[in-house]
Amino acid sequence: EVQLVESGGGLVQPGRSLRLSCAASGFTFDDYAMHWVRQAPGKGLEWVSGISWNSGSIGYADSVKGRFTISRDNAKNSLYLQMNSLRAEDMALYYCAKCQVFELKGAFDIWGQGTMVTVSS
Amino acid sequence: DIQLTQSPSFLSASVGDRVTITCRASQGISSYLAWYQQKPGKAPKLLIYAASTLQSGVPSRFSGSGSGTEFTLTISSLQPEDFATYYCQQLNSYPLFTFGPGTKVDIK
Repeated sequence: EVQLVESGGGLVQPGRSLRLSCAASGFTFDDYAMHWVRQAPGKGLEWVSGISWNSGSIGYADSVKGRFTISRDNAKNSLYLQMNSLRAEDMALYYCAKCQVFELKGAFDIWGQGTMVTVSS
Repeated sequence: DIQLTQSPSFLSASVGDRVTITCRASQGISSYLAWYQQKPGKAPKLLIYAASTLQSGVPSRFSGSGSGTEFTLTISSLQPEDFATYYCQQLNSYPLFTFGPGTKVDIK
C-alpha cells in the first residue's frame, strides 16, 4: 500500500525550532519529487516547499524562505522539513505529499494524514 | 506571483445536480492546473491534473476543462459523497505552486 506518514509535530514556543519527518512506503521513493503543504485551522491549503527526486531542485514559499529547509534521504525513504524561527502564523497541519513526477512540476497524487504544529508561548 | 481565484466560494446543491466550479489564474498557466477534493478531517485527494485528465480511480462524473487563465471543474451528477471543499492548484509558476482559496459544496 502506498503510504506517507508524517511525524514530529507538537507544541513549540515562538522563535524555536521543530523538525518534521515523512516516512514513505509502497512506492519507489527516489523516483518522485516530494512536497510539504500546510493548512491552518479552518483555512485553505498553502504550498510550503518542494524537492525534486535527487534534491537538485528545491523551492520554498515566500512565507517560509530563509526559515525552513526541506531535505530528503532516499536511502531511508524519508522527507524532512526543518523549521526554524517559528511564528504564530506557522501554526498548521503539515501534510507531506508525493508528486506525480520526478521534478517539481507535477500534481500531488498521494498525501499523508498530516502532523499538527502548534506555535504558542 | 500567480494568484488563483475560485467561484463560487460556497455553493449549496442537491444530489443529482450538475455542479460547476471555476478557477481563474492571474496570468496564463497553460494546462498546469490540478483539482483536489478535501473532506473534513481528511487529507486532500487529487481529482484532475493537467486541467482535464482524470486521476486513476476518480469517478467519471468529475471532469475538468480549460487552459490559459480560466478552468472549470464539473460534477455531472452530484452524489452524497461529493459534499466537500474543492481546491484548484497551479503548477506552472515554479517554484510557487499556489492553491486557490477553495469552494465548499454543501447540501441544499
